Amino acid sequence: TQLLEQSPQFLSIQEGENLTVYCNSSSVFSSLQWYRQEPGEGPVLLVTVVTGGEVKKLKRLTFQFGDARKDSSLHITAAQPGDTGLYLCAGAQDYKLSFGAGTTVTVRA
Amino acid sequence: GAVVSQHPSRVICKSGTSVKIECRSLDFQATTMFWYRQFPKQSLMLMATSNEGSKATYEQGVEKDKFLINHASLTLSTLTVTSAHPEDSSFYICSGRITSTDTQYFGPGTRLTVL
Repeated sequence: TQLLEQSPQFLSIQEGENLTVYCNSSSVFSSLQWYRQEPGEGPVLLVTVVTGGEVKKLKRLTFQFGDARKDSSLHITAAQPGDTGLYLCAGAQDYKLSFGAGTTVTVRA
Repeated sequence: GAVVSQHPSRVICKSGTSVKIECRSLDFQATTMFWYRQFPKQSLMLMATSNEGSKATYEQGVEKDKFLINHASLTLSTLTVTSAHPEDSSFYICSGRITSTDTQYFGPGTRLTVL
């Protein structure tokens, strides 16, 4: 059983559409991190959210941390083929990270 | 962002041999580093926490005598897979933690194939 439930597992959309990935847990985290991973490479950090209710924007990506610090979402506006990849959320407890199962996003041109 | 390197990126070895993987934080000091493994189509699973100057802490189910971890300096941790077997074939990824931001930065991973 994973500490973090990530959904959906797969997402295939057309270029220009919006998408949202969810990360939910019954546990409270000191921080939550979103990563993107390409095949055969290590995860690359996108953002760290720390404060409950926090919203961070990075260009077309919007990250939200739930008020209770148990859940988070990643929203991509006007997705592009370059956004294709595996998106991972990871919650921090006692300095350790617990990863969600990942969401494979495919953006079709 | 902070940079972490791993060496080698790929290794193929025979069953029964030992393999050492290095993890270096290039532009920051990492008191704590972590080792993960990732099987195809799966997420990252934490194997152990590597603390500079002290013994590593292993997750449940991970054999400490099989996966030897040494963290001799603030920028280097090594993972040695001893007497490797085909079931140890996996993608091994390390990370370094920056304390002030409670953020982990990951290396590019090492693909281990045991024949």
